[in-house]
Amino acid sequence: QQQVKQSPQSLIVQKGGIPIINCAYENTAFDYFPWYQQFPGKGPALLIAIRPDVSEKKEGRFTISFNKSAKQFSLHIMDSQPGDSATYFCAAAVMNYGGATNKLIFGTGTLLAVQP
Amino acid sequence: SAVISQKPSRDICQRGTSLTIQCQVDSQVTMMFWYRQQPGQSLTLIATANQGSEATYESGFVIDKFPISRPNLTFSTLTVSNMSPEDSSIYLCSVRDLGAELFFGEGSRLTVL
Repeated sequence: QQQVKQSPQSLIVQKGGIPIINCAYENTAFDYFPWYQQFPGKGPALLIAIRPDVSEKKEGRFTISFNKSAKQFSLHIMDSQPGDSATYFCAAAVMNYGGATNKLIFGTGTLLAVQP
Repeated sequence: SAVISQKPSRDICQRGTSLTIQCQVDSQVTMMFWYRQQPGQSLTLIATANQGSEATYESGFVIDKFPISRPNLTFSTLTVSNMSPEDSSIYLCSVRDLGAELFFGEGSRLTVL
């Protein structure tokens, strides 16, 4: 019940394409859903996050879509660029009292390659 | 966001030895965590480093193998004890700032021969 299932494992798109990465969860107590971007040799960097009270959040070229009833959320990258080539992780957590996240449960990661 | 520095950034160690990884944050943070990322894998939480008290370990991780210290609000250490090749991983320090988001350090890449 604590798992976050992520797909696909890897993804190749052409420059300008819109890669979509999907995640699903079981624990209905999860109420914080961030996405992280990790380049080789670097730590994960927070990209964008969403709470379940909204169905979509957009920051620049990155959009999270959230479907609470289906317990699914996805990351869309608009106008993808070769510089977006990285591993993307979704995650989920239960926000404890005071709005602070406790531990994150991570998906298995998606290796994205954007070809020029 | 907080700036997180980890030392060493990478190391090659012999089986049976121990290595201590340091995590220094440039500001006081509420919580600090240690994660492990095995080669090509996702991130797994090892423990929550509690300031002034014993760390809280996740299932599958024990204090004898991964002792953790957190003497103040900006510093923590993780020791990987009696290492074996299966301990070869990236060990990541993570912190929670006042904005509730979690941020990660660059990681410490450990290879055990």
